[in-house]
Amino acid sequence: AQSVAQPEDQVNVAEGNPLTVKCTYSVSGNPYLFWYVQYPNRGLQFLLKYITGDNLVKGSYGFEAEFNKSQTSFHLKKPSALVSDSALYFCAVRDIYNFNKFYFGSGTKLNVKP
Amino acid sequence: GAVVSQHPSWVICKSGTSVKIECRSLDFQATTMFWYRQFPKQSLMLMATSNEGSKATYEQGVEKDKFLINHASLTLSTLTVTSAHPEDSSFYICSARDSGVYEQYFGPGTRLTVT
Repeated sequence: AQSVAQPEDQVNVAEGNPLTVKCTYSVSGNPYLFWYVQYPNRGLQFLLKYITGDNLVKGSYGFEAEFNKSQTSFHLKKPSALVSDSALYFCAVRDIYNFNKFYFGSGTKLNVKP
Repeated sequence: GAVVSQHPSWVICKSGTSVKIECRSLDFQATTMFWYRQFPKQSLMLMATSNEGSKATYEQGVEKDKFLINHASLTLSTLTVTSAHPEDSSFYICSARDSGVYEQYFGPGTRLTVT
């Protein structure tokens, strides 16, 4: 079975500071990993994905994520947080047997304070 | 490109009535669409996979007679919540897979409140 875990319900960071939102995965085989962001009462917006290749993946809005196979992690990072980054972030893994199926983490609420 | 819309964005209905939610891919064809349900402060749970021209595939525990899905064209899927009850109140999100690529694009969601 495939799954992802987001250990933090909430992350607080000051504007201008670096941010990290954690995600670990459990996959039998090569993982296809994704990060999405959700603003209040809105759907999910794609940020970035890891399929294969470089472990550091760059995505939208200055976000990046580092794939670490030994630690089975795919943490989302940004060098300098903005207040507008405050939102709900979801890590997801695609089912390796059914590409249509995603398994989402429980979500992490990011609060960026001015 | 790759825009998915949902209508309505917000609906309130009385217990016992039925509500239809539309999901449209605006600039691409989607042979497959997906319906998710999200409870407050929780993650998305896949309800069903909607295939154009055929019956939807429901996830375990989802009542197919309660959540009717129709995917009549390559750009439209509908979810009808029949005989709605307050416990059906939730945020319903659809996504659509571009037929040409293995990418899913999410709609903005529909908030259903059953009174």
